[in-house]
Amino acid sequence: AQKVTQAQTEISVVEKEDVTLDCVYETRDTTYYLFWYKQPPSGELVFLIRRNSFDEQNEISGRYSWNFQKSTSSFNFTITASQVVDSAVYFCALSEFPFTASKLTFGTGTRLQVTL
Amino acid sequence: DGGITQSPKYLFRKEGQNVTLSCEQNLNHDAMYWYRQDPGQGLRLIYYSQIVNDFQKGDIAEGYSVSREKKESFPLTVTSAQKNPTAFYLCASRGSGGYGYTFGSGTRLTVV
Repeated sequence: AQKVTQAQTEISVVEKEDVTLDCVYETRDTTYYLFWYKQPPSGELVFLIRRNSFDEQNEISGRYSWNFQKSTSSFNFTITASQVVDSAVYFCALSEFPFTASKLTFGTGTRLQVTL
Repeated sequence: DGGITQSPKYLFRKEGQNVTLSCEQNLNHDAMYWYRQDPGQGLRLIYYSQIVNDFQKGDIAEGYSVSREKKESFPLTVTSAQKNPTAFYLCASRGSGGYGYTFGSGTRLTVV
């Protein structure tokens, strides 16, 4: 069975601080996808990134960066110079390789509060 | 623009009543999903469908039912058998050729 663990329930930072959200996953599959989603107060899920299990390169997109390490089964997300607009719940998720109707398994989310 | 439409945004139900949540997509996606979200918890899979007229139970299917008569539509019925239906419900879809999931804006169901 697949499992995603986000041990940090809530994080509070002051604007312009850097913050890292942790994600640890478990799967027996050798091929899989990892995702990060942002959920603002309005409720919809906003896609941030998808990474397949073959590609362990770190990725940077503006103020966002992701560190994928298969050796530790982790896919951590860092926001540099956080802003108030980054306040949201962030979910890490895992998907089987899409041979069938693959399902997303979500972590319990990390609520990020950025204050002035 | 293509996307997923969930309606209504807010829904109130009396105890003992069945209620149906709508999910429509115009993305031509094959697979569709229903997730439930409770405060402070992640999203849990209720049902999913890979093709028309076929669907499978997810992790928490008890008290729910679905149908997939059209590719574009995947309605979820919350039955009176669901003991604690108050939650936020999200519908999603995924195309066969890609690996991205598209989510609707959700329906917040409250039992009164």
